[in-house]
Amino acid sequence: GDSVTQMEGPVTLSEEAFLTINCTYTATGYPSLFWYVQYPGEGLQLLLKATKADDKGSNKGFEATYRKETTSFHLEKGSVQVSDSAVYFCALSDRTASGTYKYIFGTGTRLKVLA
Amino acid sequence: KAGVTQTPRYLIKTRGQQVTLSCSPISGHRSVSWYQQTPGQGLQFLFEYFSETQRNKGNFPGRFSGRQFSNSRSEMNVSTLELGDSALYLCASSQGQETPAGNTIYFGEGSWLTVV
Repeated sequence: GDSVTQMEGPVTLSEEAFLTINCTYTATGYPSLFWYVQYPGEGLQLLLKATKADDKGSNKGFEATYRKETTSFHLEKGSVQVSDSAVYFCALSDRTASGTYKYIFGTGTRLKVLA
Repeated sequence: KAGVTQTPRYLIKTRGQQVTLSCSPISGHRSVSWYQQTPGQGLQFLFEYFSETQRNKGNFPGRFSGRQFSNSRSEMNVSTLELGDSALYLCASSQGQETPAGNTIYFGEGSWLTVV
C-alpha cells in the first residue's frame, strides 16, 4: 500500500540555519504531494503542494520539489526563524481502487529553532 | 473566505459517556474528513463524507461514527468513551472533486477531547 516516510525528529537548528526535512513515499498510482505544518495547540495548515513530477511547491520561504525518480519530496528553507518552530507533516494523496482520493500522512518532524 | 470551523475546541468527558463533535467546512467544499491525532499514533484517518455519504473509512471500531448534512456540515460521534480516546480530533474539508487540486484538504483547528 501507499506510505510516507519522513525523518525522525526533533530537529534543532539555530536561527538563520538551512533546513532540510527528508520525505520519501511509495505509491501505487501517481500521487499529489503535500507539506503541512502544525503550530503548538493548532490544527494542520497546508504549507505547499506539488501535483506532478518536477513541480516545485513553495510558500513562506519553504520549497519542495516532486522527484519521481527518487520518490522524494524533501522540504527546504534557506534561513529558518524562531517562528518556524512547529511540527511538519509530509503527505500524499492517491487515487483509491474505487476512484476516490485518500491521504496518507507521515509521522511528523518536530522542528525547534533557537534564537 | 472562512476556514474550517470545529466545535467545541476543548472538552472533558468521563469514561463510558458519549461525545459529538461538529465541523463546518469551507464554503463550497462538499467533502469532510475526520482524523484522530495522538502523540503515540500520529494522524489516523477516521472517515470521509461526500454529499451526505460515507465515501472512505479507516480502521476504527464501530463506536466511532459520523454523518454529514445537506449543507455539508458534519458531525462525528464517539460512544462509550475509553481513556484511549483522548486525542485531538481534526476535521478537514475539500472540494471533493476527482482531481488532484480538487482534493487538497484544509484542516480546522481541532477539538481536544480528554477522557477521564
